[in-house]
Amino acid sequence: DVKVTQSSRYLVKRTGEKVFLECVQDMDHENMFWYRQDPGLGLRLIYFSYDVKMKEKGDIPEGYSVSREKKERFSLILESASTNQTSMYLCASSPGGITLTGELFFGEGSRLTVL
Amino acid sequence: AQTVTQSQPEMSVQEAETVTLSCTYDTSESDYYLFWYKQPPSRQMILVIRQEAYKQQNATENRFSVNFQKAAKSFSLKISDSQLGDAAMYFCAYRRGNTDKLIFGTGTRLQVFP
Repeated sequence: DVKVTQSSRYLVKRTGEKVFLECVQDMDHENMFWYRQDPGLGLRLIYFSYDVKMKEKGDIPEGYSVSREKKERFSLILESASTNQTSMYLCASSPGGITLTGELFFGEGSRLTVL
Repeated sequence: AQTVTQSQPEMSVQEAETVTLSCTYDTSESDYYLFWYKQPPSRQMILVIRQEAYKQQNATENRFSVNFQKAAKSFSLKISDSQLGDAAMYFCAYRRGNTDKLIFGTGTRLQVFP
């Protein structure tokens, strides 16, 4: 089974702190994604990576950056956390390449609270 | 830009009964895919069912089936013989033909009563 692991289930940070959310997948997937989930807004794409060191902005990239130095790891970085970034963050991966099934494999989520 | 709309924030169903979750979408593309994902409480989101736009036949997966109306841009999910384990958030999602980037709806929370 594909496993997508997010390093922290729950985090509490203070305004202005730098926050790292880590995600690791074990199926050699090419694509990795960071989504933000908020009640009434569904999931919104923050960033997408289709290869090592390759990234593409999603719909709401402001205030976020990402890093993908190794194929299996995709990190989301909040350079200076703000209260409006309090949310559930979901990491996902997909095989990519010619295998475009549309099936994303999700982690359990990281619930971030910024005080 | 493509959009996905789920107009039912919450639905409920009695165990063993049938429930239908609604989804509409807007696109000018001809090649696309539609999905229903399930997010159980405190658990990972998983794919329930997939529909390719070029296929006229509605997709089915065991107790889950879709009613895909391409002209009306409607994509509803029918859950038959509902079980307590079906209680979850359900998200409708759209994907253009050449990318794995999904656009999600706002979700429908399904409660299942014994």
